[in-house]
Amino acid sequence: GQNIDQPTEMTATEGAIVQINCTYQTSGFNGLFWYQQHAGEAPTFLSYNVLDGLEEKGRFSSFLSRSKGYSYLLLKELQMKDSASYLCAVIGTGGFKTIFGAGTRLFVKA
Amino acid sequence: DAGITQSPRHKVTETGTPVTLRCHQTENHRYMYWYRQDPGHGLRLIHYSYGVKDTDKGEVSDGYSVSRSKTEDFLLTLESATSSQTSVYFCAIRGLAGEETQYFGPGTRLLVL
Repeated sequence: GQNIDQPTEMTATEGAIVQINCTYQTSGFNGLFWYQQHAGEAPTFLSYNVLDGLEEKGRFSSFLSRSKGYSYLLLKELQMKDSASYLCAVIGTGGFKTIFGAGTRLFVKA
Repeated sequence: DAGITQSPRHKVTETGTPVTLRCHQTENHRYMYWYRQDPGHGLRLIHYSYGVKDTDKGEVSDGYSVSRSKTEDFLLTLESATSSQTSVYFCAIRGLAGEETQYFGPGTRLLVL
């Protein structure tokens, strides 16, 4: 079957670094996304990885290892506004259907 | 947000009544999706469309139907709403040619009593 696993909740301190892990088992692989979702709002796109390695975008970086079925999202210099849910999603074969993980709720404390 | 709107934004209805949710986009995107989001389940695909009158089922399509008679509008209908369909519904569009990213509308909160 298809499955995406992420931790349910994480807590980190303002100014620190946090790594949110995602492991996946899907039918085929055409890319992996990370989305951010604040409470009561729509998910917004953060990153897209299709090749192995690290993609850096400002304070956010995303890593992919296709052979291990593993990705992580790294958030640096945490700010209070980073408190949100972070969704890992994988595009399976066919490109039409994206499978989403249940999301990781990140709490940033002062 | 790629010019995506959803209506209504909030709705309360009773079990057994039909409900139609509308997704409207202004940028001529070919692919459109309907998801529901429930605690502990993340986003689950209900139906998707890859063109006018071209639709297909997602993983949780039972009890839902869709229609797409114009590129800009994708309608989701609950033929006879049940309490298990209480959820937040998100419409999404896929980016333009060659782009895999999906962009989401603001969502519709549906409560079925």
